[in-house]
Amino acid sequence: GENVEQHPSTLSVQEGDSAVIKCTYSDSASNYFPWYKQELGKRPQLIIDIRSNVGEKKDQRIAVTLNKTAKHFSLHITETQPEDSAVYFCAVNTDKLIFGTGTRLQVFP
Amino acid sequence: NAGVTQTPKFRILKIGQSMTLQCTQDMNHNYMYWYRQDPGMGLKLIYYSVGAGITDKGEVPNGYNVSRSTTEDFPLRLELAAPSQTSVYFCASSLTGAQREAFFGQGTRLTVV
Repeated sequence: GENVEQHPSTLSVQEGDSAVIKCTYSDSASNYFPWYKQELGKRPQLIIDIRSNVGEKKDQRIAVTLNKTAKHFSLHITETQPEDSAVYFCAVNTDKLIFGTGTRLQVFP
Repeated sequence: NAGVTQTPKFRILKIGQSMTLQCTQDMNHNYMYWYRQDPGMGLKLIYYSVGAGITDKGEVPNGYNVSRSTTEDFPLRLELAAPSQTSVYFCASSLTGAQREAFFGQGTRLTVV
């Protein structure tokens, strides 16, 4: 079955710095790659997604890049703010929606 | 438009008891999922469904059962609860095709003692 690896597991940055989280997947049939943010005690919520026919997508301070040949995709957050502190999950979707193991991002003022 | 609704929000079960976690969505989504999230860990897929009458196993199906008799409802059944099933359970749903965003319920916190 699909295997999704996510790195790093924890990431601490200074406010204003950039943060990058990377995921790799195994199933070449995967065609949809969302990223979710989960704040403490809350449900995961979609922050950005990318489909297999696109290499990069940007939405204000967040961007996602996809390399289908290498089977990896990354989340980039620029100008980080304390409210970006949360756990971030990548996911891969064919019919199942399989999540990575998560990255705990801490942004220090 | 309530989205995805899960009941109950909290439950304490004794070892060996059974229960059903309810999940309903009002967005006419075809796809529905059940996940468990252990403390400080990621989301593991238990079961999923691509439409009424169709269900399939995810990554961690043992100890659970599901049914999907309607588009709206996707209950998760725990038989013979064990301490290893202590977790937060999330139900989610999504449309098919290009619109794939999954919407999550608020979760059910289950403790087995």
